[in-house]
Formats: sequence, structure tokens, C-alpha cells
Amino acid sequence: AQKITQTQPGMFVQEKEAVTLDCTYDTSDPSYGLFWYKQPSSGEMIFLIYQGSYDQQNATEGRYSLNFQKARKSANLVISASQLGDSAMYFCAMRAPGGGNKLTFGTGTQLKVEL
Amino acid sequence: DAGVIQSPRHEVTEMGQEVTLRCKPISGHNSLFWYRQTMMRGLELLIYFNNNVPIDDSGMPEDRFSAKMPNASFSTLKIQPSEPRDSAVYFCASSLAGLAGRSYNEQFFGPGTRLTVL
Repeated sequence: AQKITQTQPGMFVQEKEAVTLDCTYDTSDPSYGLFWYKQPSSGEMIFLIYQGSYDQQNATEGRYSLNFQKARKSANLVISASQLGDSAMYFCAMRAPGGGNKLTFGTGTQLKVEL
Repeated sequence: DAGVIQSPRHEVTEMGQEVTLRCKPISGHNSLFWYRQTMMRGLELLIYFNNNVPIDDSGMPEDRFSAKMPNASFSTLKIQPSEPRDSAVYFCASSLAGLAGRSYNEQFFGPGTRLTVL
């Protein structure tokens, strides 16, 4: 079975600073994918970034980057130059072949960006 | 292009009533997912379909829940009879699995249906 753990229920960061949101995972499949989604207060789920288990480099998408440490089974999201609009809930999720095409989500981290 | 469309956006009903949630996936997508989000349990996958066929319904809570996908552009999630503990936000998501040259095929979520059962 796949499991995703996000240990930070809430995080605060000052505007323009960088912040790291933690995510660890557990799977016995050698092939898997890791996703990060953002859920603002309006409720929609927005895809941010993806990392494949065989990808040689850490994924980056604009101000988002993924600190992928395979041996430690962690896939932390780094947001650089935080903006007020980054305040939201952030979910880490995993897809593994043993789980079919479905995603298993973590419990989320509530990020608040302050002036 | 339109994203995933869900209706209704809000539903308030009384315990015992039948509730039907509707979803139109993104055109061309071949996988459809139904999730439920609550404060207590987080985001849970209820069921997903590939090419209109239910693949995994292990997340469906009980027999009161049923889902159908009669064609590639429409799916329903039905709760009969509804109970107060079914109150949650229900999301539908779609993706395009097996796209050549694309390894990850992210899921695109609809805006959700907020269900309140009194």
C-alpha cells in the first residue's frame, strides 16, 4: 500500500522568503510519481509540479521546485519568493503502479504568507 | 477549453433523500475520478474509471454510494439514502492516461460540489 505523510499542519512565511513544505512517502513500487497540488480558500485543486521516480533531476516549475531525495523517500516542495497569493493548502500525492492510476494524497499543509 | 464541470456547486438536502452529483470531464480525457474531502478524513478517492469502466471502487464507503459513467463525457455519483455524515466536498477529476511522450498525466479537478445533509 502507498502512504503519503505531511507532518506540517501549518506553516508561516514572510513575503519574498522561500519556504519548504515537507512530504515523505512509502511505496514498494520502484516506479512511481509524486505530485503537488495547491488548494486556495476558494476550494479548487490546482496542479503545481510532478516528479517521477526515475527522473534524474529535481523538477522545477517557475517558483516551485521539488527537492527529491529518493533514498530518504522525501519529495519536499520549495516555493521561492513567496507571494501573498501563495497562501493556501498544499497537498502532496503519489501515484504508483500497484495503486493503479489513482493518487494517494497526504493530509496537507496550510501555508500562510505574511507581509 | 472548458475544465472539468461539476453540478450542482452546492447541495443542501435532508437526511434520507437521494442526492445525485454530476461531472463532465475534460473532452478527450479517458480517466475520471471521484474524491471526497472532509476535515476529518482529508481527500479520499471514492472510485475511478478508465475508458468509462470502473476500475477501483474500494473507496466507496458503502452500498448507499454508487457511480456511473454511461459515456466519455458524463459521470454521476449518487447517494441514496443520504446521511449527515455524507456532508463533504465532492470533487471530480479527469486525466489523459497513456499520452505518448508524457509520463505523468496530472489530474485536473473540477470546482467541487459542497454537499450538506441536514
